[in-house]
Amino acid sequence: DAGVTQSPTHLIKTRGQQVTLRCSPKSGHDTVSWYQQALGQGPQFIFQYYEEEERQRGNFPDRFSGHQFPNYSSELNVNALLLGDSALYLCASSFGVSGYTYEQYFGPGTRLTVT
Amino acid sequence: DQQVKQNSPSLSVQEGRISILNCDYTNSMFDYFLWYKKYPAEGPTFLISISSIKDKNEDGRFTVFLNKSAKHLSLHIVPSQPGDSAVYFCAASASTGNQFYFGTGTSLTVIP
Repeated sequence: DAGVTQSPTHLIKTRGQQVTLRCSPKSGHDTVSWYQQALGQGPQFIFQYYEEEERQRGNFPDRFSGHQFPNYSSELNVNALLLGDSALYLCASSFGVSGYTYEQYFGPGTRLTVT
Repeated sequence: DQQVKQNSPSLSVQEGRISILNCDYTNSMFDYFLWYKKYPAEGPTFLISISSIKDKNEDGRFTVFLNKSAKHLSLHIVPSQPGDSAVYFCAASASTGNQFYFGTGTSLTVIP
């Protein structure tokens, strides 16, 4: 049973560029959440996708956008990259959005470095 | 504003002894709490959860205690093993939303 997969593993970009990160959820999961984890910090919620729609969003600017495909996989796009966007980007999958008694399964993350 | 806090960045414990990791939260709407374990170069792995209708949940060597009046939860690991050495994050959510708020993590080292 494949877990959550993310690509690429590492990425180096220049300020002002745009980046796309990809995530495939765990088999049987239909909900994808994205998190940003800066060095020495806990993961911070960016947004969550369910049924191809953004269901909830954290405190991140519009430069951060996403998409979910019919097969439940998801992309995170960041435009106009800033040095402060350098972080580990984690994708987490789960089943459904009703209630709160679900556990999220995380992928290994994509390490983004902005120079 | 950090709504979930883990005030101990690191903890060292002898193998076989108890490890106690603490977490405090400020939002009284939080009613579901989780602990995650993270090894280097891996994503966080779900460990154990507790809802606000309980004050204790056990799973093998891991027990989570919730004190709602103090807005405090703790993770007990007994007995601690060297393989438990990792960073532990607590996370909280409100049933009215789907967003999880994470603490900054506690790095546990279990000394053989």
